[in-house]
Amino acid sequence: DAKTTQPNSMESNEEEPVHLPCNHSTISGTDYIHWYRQLPSQGPEYVIHGLTSNVNNRMASLAIAEDRKSSTLILHRATLRDAAVYYCILFEEVGGSQGNLIFGKGTKLSVKP
Amino acid sequence: ETGVTQTPRHLVMGMTNKKSLKCEQHLGHNAMYWYKQSAKKPLELMFVYNFKEQTENNSVPSRFSPECPNSSHLFLHLHTLQPEDSALYLCASSQRAWAGTRLAGGIYEQYFGPGTRLTVT
Repeated sequence: DAKTTQPNSMESNEEEPVHLPCNHSTISGTDYIHWYRQLPSQGPEYVIHGLTSNVNNRMASLAIAEDRKSSTLILHRATLRDAAVYYCILFEEVGGSQGNLIFGKGTKLSVKP
Repeated sequence: ETGVTQTPRHLVMGMTNKKSLKCEQHLGHNAMYWYKQSAKKPLELMFVYNFKEQTENNSVPSRFSPECPNSSHLFLHLHTLQPEDSALYLCASSQRAWAGTRLAGGIYEQYFGPGTRLTVT
């Protein structure tokens, strides 16, 4: 199980900010929150990750709730190129010494001109 | 261009054929992964190699056989596949798959190739 919950789809207008929510109420204390996106006909692409504090990079910002049970990926100015499926993922421990990314269904973001 | 290449990009094979998918990463990474993406399912992890050692086999049928001769190359050998195996097969790499602690292991982002679109007839 992916252990994250995201809306199936969202729409945005070009050049407007987009807030993509993710719920992860069963997150463990040391689980990292990762975001990837997958553009049409491409492999997934890393966007951002964080643990407790809010994070910024050239692609996006990640706002993490104080209780860490939810997070929001923020695209400050959506472009047509940002239309993709966005995955919120917890880096999940598998067994005692292994961790993997477990993808869910993600949010399909549409950007209108 | 992510630094991870996959060949072929498209493959059509019959159920009795044997074929191989190839992945190569030019990033100096030590971990490589195979994922399967079907039309109606989330991305599924298949295999993980960390420093050329297979560390994960996610209950994948034996008709899929991975090979990792070195940290830069990963193969997926296919034989006697079924039509339901038709999917996009994605390769990824990361600096390493596990750093010995959950905390450190969570930080290594994965870089994906463009995938091989496989159709089994």
